[in-house]
Amino acid sequence: KQEVTQIPAALSVPEGENLVLNCSFTDSAIYNLQWFRQDPGKGLTSLLLIQSSQREQTSGRLNASLDKSSGRSTLYIAASQPGDSATYLCAVSPVKGAQKLVFGQGTRLTINP
Amino acid sequence: DVKVTQSSRYLVKRTGEKVFLECVQDMDHENMFWYRQDPGLGLRLIYFSYDVKMKEKGDIPEGYSVSREKKERFSLILESASTNQTSMYLCASSLEYGYTFGSGTRLTVV
Repeated sequence: KQEVTQIPAALSVPEGENLVLNCSFTDSAIYNLQWFRQDPGKGLTSLLLIQSSQREQTSGRLNASLDKSSGRSTLYIAASQPGDSATYLCAVSPVKGAQKLVFGQGTRLTINP
Repeated sequence: DVKVTQSSRYLVKRTGEKVFLECVQDMDHENMFWYRQDPGLGLRLIYFSYDVKMKEKGDIPEGYSVSREKKERFSLILESASTNQTSMYLCASSLEYGYTFGSGTRLTVV
């Protein structure tokens, strides 16, 4: 059974720093991996999707990498801002499974002004 | 932009009531999902549907049922609400592998 782990559970950094969030998964047979953002009490917003054949994806100050063979992904946030404060979740889609996602428990990120 | 709308942001129901959570998407997506989110447990899949009138159980279907009579609407039904179903419920739809989530319904069962 696929399990997704995100470390650390919480992270607090000063504004302007570059930071890395980590995600690991136990079964490397995945179709894709997605990173989401969740603000308190709200739904999830999709940030980046990496297909299993890709190594990375970029959107603005965000860069996500995928190493399928080692079961790891990282989300790099450059020049962090207070508005980046949120919970970040990663999720994998199994090869067999009709687009069902398996989620990690998230990293709660706080950017201090 | 795709919109996924959940009918209620907050809901308080009594134990034993039959509860309906409604979700509507406006972009003709084939796939729709219901998750619940609990502290320490993360998001867990309750049910999903890949076509009208088609449904499959997720990881935690006990105590729930679903209905998808029209492509745009996916309803989650709590047959007899219990206090352990107090949670945040999130609906999502997808085409290919791009997911869109609703804002969530925070359900409290008293």
